[in-house]
Amino acid sequence: GENVEQHPSTLSVQEGDSAVIKCTYSDSASNYFPWYKQELGKGPQLIIDIRSNVGEKKDQRIAVTLNKTAKHFSLHITETQPEDSAVYFCAASKNDYKLSFGAGTTVTVRA
Amino acid sequence: GAVVSQHPSWVICKSGTSVKIECRSLDFQATTMFWYRQFPKQSLMLMATSNEGSKATYEQGVEKDKFLINHASLTLSTLTVTSAHPEDSSFYICSAIGLPQGYTFGSGTRLTVV
Repeated sequence: GENVEQHPSTLSVQEGDSAVIKCTYSDSASNYFPWYKQELGKGPQLIIDIRSNVGEKKDQRIAVTLNKTAKHFSLHITETQPEDSAVYFCAASKNDYKLSFGAGTTVTVRA
Repeated sequence: GAVVSQHPSWVICKSGTSVKIECRSLDFQATTMFWYRQFPKQSLMLMATSNEGSKATYEQGVEKDKFLINHASLTLSTLTVTSAHPEDSSFYICSAIGLPQGYTFGSGTRLTVV
């Protein structure tokens, strides 16, 4: 099955700086790559996603890039704010079915 | 946007009793629902996949007789933890797939077995 690896496990950034989280996947047939933000005691919230026919997608301060050849995708958060502090998960799926999640990254934005 | 309502948000039960968790898709029909378990500081682990009107498909290592899943309609799926034990204490999350919004997650249920 699909194996998704996520790095780093923790990330501390100064407010206003950028944060980058990287994920790799094993199944070349995977074609959907969402990113989720999870706050303590809550369910995951989709923040951005990308499909395999696109190399980059941006939504205000958040962007995702996908390299299908290398089988990796990354989340970029610019101008970080304290409310960006949370756990972020990457995931991958094939044909919109089961999601395989990365291990998560705990992001702390220092004021 | 699409909403999946999950209840209860937290529950405490005695060892040996059963607990039912509900997930409802409020404004779309969920053809498929997924149930996850998440331990503290860990990722989401898929427990089972359910399609409306058919038996759930369980992941390897998940006891189907212990975690009963019912997907009786296109808007409701339930997870019943039977004969709960302290090791079943965890955060349970459902997710529903519908068109065209894709995956939508519930808010999770914190189960504590004492």
